[in-house]
Amino acid sequence: QQQVKQSPQSLIVQKGGISIINCAYENTAFDYFPWYQQFPGKGPALLIAIRPDVSEKKEGRFTISFNKSAKQFSLHIMDSQPGDSATYFCAASIGGSYIPTFGRGTSLIVHP
Amino acid sequence: DGGITQSPKYLFRKEGQNVTLSCEQNLNHDAMYWYRQDPGQGLRLIYYSQIVNDFQKGDIAEGYSVSREKKESFPLTVTSAQKNPTAFYLCASSIVSGGTRYEQYFGPGTRLTVT
Repeated sequence: QQQVKQSPQSLIVQKGGISIINCAYENTAFDYFPWYQQFPGKGPALLIAIRPDVSEKKEGRFTISFNKSAKQFSLHIMDSQPGDSATYFCAASIGGSYIPTFGRGTSLIVHP
Repeated sequence: DGGITQSPKYLFRKEGQNVTLSCEQNLNHDAMYWYRQDPGQGLRLIYYSQIVNDFQKGDIAEGYSVSREKKESFPLTVTSAQKNPTAFYLCASSIVSGGTRYEQYFGPGTRLTVT
């Protein structure tokens, strides 16, 4: 079963626009939610992560919003740039476990 | 210059042959992982290892084997029993300390093509 559902599968945004990627989870025991960014032909790299004791975390143009009651979290990329074009994965893990469950990924294309 | 190296970047094999993918890390991380990535399917865990000489199956271990003889190395063998081995394979590592979660660091990947 898919424990972390990610949408959309692909996203096209104009330069300067806002990119929004959503994830929903089922297991209420998850308590760590990282996002990874992967460029073509490369391995994923941690972009930003959040714990459920906060509702939002911002790092530069990247913001995670977290809704514990709805069991949803999302990544917002403000002022999207062509260099942001990549595949983004959300993930979730349980306290004491270091095996994250990944979403299926979102391919983001930012047009110049 | 610490990191994870995977070699080779591209690998081609004939059907029926076993092939071993290399993964080395100099981050002094305890845990290492192998993932398979297919288009639209995200990252699927094949095997992971928390300590030397110990490893556990992930979600899709059938047709794969691993060893962990050294802390720095976690090679993956794709056997002829793997029905659909063509994929992008990613190795990762992370710190393990008192149950606290730490991020996974990924290698650059190996693209395996079997014909």
